[in-house]
Amino acid sequence: AQSVTQLGSHVSVSEGALVLLRCNYSSSVPPYLFWYVQYPNQGLQLLLKYTSAATLVKGINGFEAEFKKSETSFHLTKPSAHMSDTAEYFCAVSAGTGFQKLVFGTGTRLLVSP
Amino acid sequence: KAGVTQTPRYLIKTRGQQVTLSCSPISGHRSVSWYQQTPGQGLQFLFEYFSETQRNKGNFPGRFSGRQFSNSRSEMNVSTLELGDSALYLCASSLLSTEQETQYFGPGTRLLVL
Repeated sequence: AQSVTQLGSHVSVSEGALVLLRCNYSSSVPPYLFWYVQYPNQGLQLLLKYTSAATLVKGINGFEAEFKKSETSFHLTKPSAHMSDTAEYFCAVSAGTGFQKLVFGTGTRLLVSP
Repeated sequence: KAGVTQTPRYLIKTRGQQVTLSCSPISGHRSVSWYQQTPGQGLQFLFEYFSETQRNKGNFPGRFSGRQFSNSRSEMNVSTLELGDSALYLCASSLLSTEQETQYFGPGTRLLVL
């Protein structure tokens, strides 16, 4: 069964610093991987997704992620954090069932301080 | 193009009651999925509907049910509410039902069971 593990439930960085949010996946089939962001009292917004095309995926708001099969990782990065990036971030994998079923990680709360 | 809408946004019920939540997908989308988000269990897949048919169901008791109408709008029903059903219920839609597609999430319905 597919699963994702997000290391670090809380990450704090200063404004302008590098953001690195970790996600490792487990999948018996080629995975489709997603990063979503959730702002307080809101739903989920897609940041980026990997669907077996380019291994380096660029998303919205300056975020990107690199698919590394050898490390079974799909870490999310942003070169320079902004205070508006403060939110909860979820890594997710499609369950490989041929239809829409996302399996989510436990989330990482990112706090960007001035 | 309007996004996914969910009504109501907030709901308070008492134990033993039942509740119906509504989701209107993005125009043209035929797949609607439901997720439950709680602090303890995180984001969990409830079920997915495609063209009025339930494609699959997550590991939830039979008190949780849903349906989809011919216009792709979907409703979710929870009967005999329990305190543990307090959660944010998220609806997501996609054009078809392929696993590499992006799911677009609504803002959610926050249900509080007293």
